Amino acid sequence: DIQMTQSPSTLSASVGDRVTITCRANQTISSWLAWYQQKPGKAPKLLIYKASSLESGVPSRFSGSGSGTEFTLTISSLQPDDFATYYCQQYITYWTFGQGTKVEIK
Amino acid sequence: QVQLVQSGAEVKKPGSSVKVSCKASGGTFNSYTISWVRQAPGQGLEWMGRIIPIFGTSNHAQKFQGRVTITADESTSTAYMELSSLRSEDTAVYYCARGPGYVLTAFDYWGQGTLVTVSA
Repeated sequence: DIQMTQSPSTLSASVGDRVTITCRANQTISSWLAWYQQKPGKAPKLLIYKASSLESGVPSRFSGSGSGTEFTLTISSLQPDDFATYYCQQYITYWTFGQGTKVEIK
Repeated sequence: QVQLVQSGAEVKKPGSSVKVSCKASGGTFNSYTISWVRQAPGQGLEWMGRIIPIFGTSNHAQKFQGRVTITADESTSTAYMELSSLRSEDTAVYYCARGPGYVLTAFDYWGQGTLVTVSA
């Protein structure tokens, strides 16, 4: 099974900060990686697919990079609406999610 | 605009089964796959299985072998997920999610979630 590990588990940041979340796979997944944002009581929302492609309607302050086994999600300037939990997901072999990274207010 | 609308919350006894529905509107039901993902209270996301409605084929995570059945009714654009032999650890919000196309893809639309509570 492909395991996905995110770091950190929790991140404290301020509005305007540049934020980076890392996701690692235990085997290569090429670029078959997505990032989601989830707010309490809501369904996840797709932000990034194929490691670096921005989903339609998602603000350009979100970006993704990486390939193989190491990936990052970057928020260039954190906005109040961005405080949420973020998940990575591989989809080269069915689907597996990372454990999540909660971005909270510092 | 694609919408996935799920059935309402359920309370079930241990050992029983639950069947959750996911009705799609917008788009073409037989041009994508439907996956089911669950989230236990305070926990992360867990993929359970998927169906390709046009082919009627389904796959599921090994963890749910023998307990999960995923079906689809093209005539009503509705997918179903049935989980049997429920235990307390199955208490979770269950989501359906769309994967565009037939190959493995990210999930671009999600249902609103259905809370299933398993309690004696």
